[in-house]
Amino acid sequence: KAGVTQTPRYLIKTRGQQVTLSCSPISGHRSVSWYQQTPGQGLQFLFEYFSETQRNKGNFPGRFSGRQFSNSRSEMNVSTLELGDSALYLCASSLDRDRNSPLHFGNGTRLTVT
Amino acid sequence: AQSVAQPEDQVNVAEGNPLTVKCTYSVSGNPYLFWYVQYPNRGLQFLLKYITGDNLVKGSYGFEAEFNKSQTSFHLKKPSALVSDSALYFCAVRDRNRDDKIIFGKGTRLHILP
Repeated sequence: KAGVTQTPRYLIKTRGQQVTLSCSPISGHRSVSWYQQTPGQGLQFLFEYFSETQRNKGNFPGRFSGRQFSNSRSEMNVSTLELGDSALYLCASSLDRDRNSPLHFGNGTRLTVT
Repeated sequence: AQSVAQPEDQVNVAEGNPLTVKCTYSVSGNPYLFWYVQYPNRGLQFLLKYITGDNLVKGSYGFEAEFNKSQTSFHLKKPSALVSDSALYFCAVRDRNRDDKIIFGKGTRLHILP
């Protein structure tokens, strides 16, 4: 069974631009969540989607948005990029049974904002 | 509000010695607890979880973790460290009584010295 696939692996953007990251979950997984990883802050939760509905949202500005499609694939978008948005963005999927299913992570998209 | 603390940014252990990576948590209800490991330039991999029952949980690669409700801790342990255990380790918690997100600690970098 294929794992969680994130594209692209690397992105370089300039301040003010916008970016879209993509995530394909493991087949059969309906829950997809996104995290921002930086050396100083560790893993910070962005949002979680289940069956195309946003179930939870982290404490990020409105420039960060996401969506989930009917096939469970998910995208996140960051508009008006800032230098501080440089990070590794991780997507994770899960079966979400009983809310204790393990998360399965992709290898991430490393975003560099210059 | 939920929170997770990993008090050590880095832990150094000689190969063959026992290792412990510490984690304490705070939730309003009863927790689901998780450990994940991240190897360089990779996403996180699930190691083990605590749901209920026996306080000692066994997971992948010979790791285990002990749930201590009175101390609100969930320390990760291994009897004999391997150089290949060197990685970044994350503790995570989810309140089982609330429809809330998984919260991760900031991570502990484990160095196993040959």
